[in-house]
Amino acid sequence: QKEVEQNSGPLSVPEGAIASLNCTYSDRGSQSFFWYRQYSGKSPELIMSIYSNGDKEDGRFTAQLNKASQYVSLLIRDSQPSDSATYLCAVSRGSTLGRLYFGRGTQLTVWP
Amino acid sequence: DTAVSQTPKYLVTQMGNDKSIKCEQNLGHDTMYWYKQDSKKFLKIMFSYNNKELIINETVPNRFSPKSPDKAHLNLHINSLELGDSAVYFCASSQSLAEETQYFGPGTRLLVL
Repeated sequence: QKEVEQNSGPLSVPEGAIASLNCTYSDRGSQSFFWYRQYSGKSPELIMSIYSNGDKEDGRFTAQLNKASQYVSLLIRDSQPSDSATYLCAVSRGSTLGRLYFGRGTQLTVWP
Repeated sequence: DTAVSQTPKYLVTQMGNDKSIKCEQNLGHDTMYWYKQDSKKFLKIMFSYNNKELIINETVPNRFSPKSPDKAHLNLHINSLELGDSAVYFCASSQSLAEETQYFGPGTRLLVL
């Protein structure tokens, strides 16, 4: 079983819609969870981090964490074409400091 | 004022050659990392250093040798390059091992012919 799994997509939504990106992880001991955005040909850029169960909102982005279900998601409200990118979920176990496990990413396309 | 920089940006070379990639961060961070991203976008850690000390050494062929002359620099030397080494190599840094927010460099696109 892979450490971190994401639907590879592509996920296609119209401008103004809510994009929902999902991620599951295998290690129950995981403690920290991150969403990175990667535009084509660019480097990953951190957009959200979440550490406790529930929702965390930052502008149009909301991260949701459910440790019991080993599930983390990212919602993008009012999606814009500029949100078109690959979104990488990353998880830290905490037992190995500095080690992030990345999913393979979900490619999101927002069409005007 | 680039936070994490890498050179070169592109590297095209023949199989069997030896090449190096350099990384520098001006954030004052203690911890630096090398990642490999394959053609399917899978980002996998290779090495991490904390204050010049090797912390993480994943299952990477020993043709790959990292070197950290000081905590602001982490270089990657690759011997006897193979076709499968073609990928994008990202350097990253974080404030410390305990601080998990990592900042990525622009990447080095390596193509082995």
